Amino acid sequence: IAGITQAPTSQILAAGRRMTLRCTQDMRHNAMYWYRQDLGLGLRLIHYSNTAGTTGKGEVPDGYSVSRANTDDFPLTLASAVPSQTSVYFCASSSRTGRNQPQHFGDGTRLSIL
Amino acid sequence: SQKIEQNSEALNIQEGKTATLTCNYTNYSPAYLQWYRQDPGRGPVFLLLIRENEKEKRKERLKVTFDTTLKQSLFHITASQPADSATYLCALALGNNNDMRFGAGTRLTVKP
Repeated sequence: IAGITQAPTSQILAAGRRMTLRCTQDMRHNAMYWYRQDLGLGLRLIHYSNTAGTTGKGEVPDGYSVSRANTDDFPLTLASAVPSQTSVYFCASSSRTGRNQPQHFGDGTRLSIL
Repeated sequence: SQKIEQNSEALNIQEGKTATLTCNYTNYSPAYLQWYRQDPGRGPVFLLLIRENEKEKRKERLKVTFDTTLKQSLFHITASQPADSATYLCALALGNNNDMRFGAGTRLTVKP
């Protein structure tokens, strides 16, 4: 089934450790996004990529980095995890960049930093 | 500062009634507004998009309105069913094309 695959589905991590959340899409979408979702705050954009080879910062980029080596993969890295990064992380994609483009989401990674 | 507010955290209605969810925004001038559905433990799923020059958009039992004067969108589900129980999110783009802002969502429960 076409869509977005995120891994792992959940993880408990010690503070200070490095962690990479994986995201793969098979829809050949150009644009990809990473969000975090916290209770009462809704989804907040961390980083985005308009197309392979380009990335940009969203609303809450500090403490996170991304890369986009190819169309399908868009990993999110926490270089040194802190408890405030405990959240549910969603990867999304859209066929192209634009305010009128619907986004397709994965089912998230639940991350707890202790 | 820019804000998106959805009318309430939770809405409970009886099966068969019409559910109406509200999305208000301040300090935005969005050209488009989107609505998503999110089930527990799942990612959001796109439902409808409405443009600023469209007053209303329909899809099956769903209807969305967009009032740029009031800075408000209403999302209606007619003849609601227990299967419609979910959290509904509104979203709009902030200026540039990549910065989509989401409301915190309204959790709808339809009781049989």
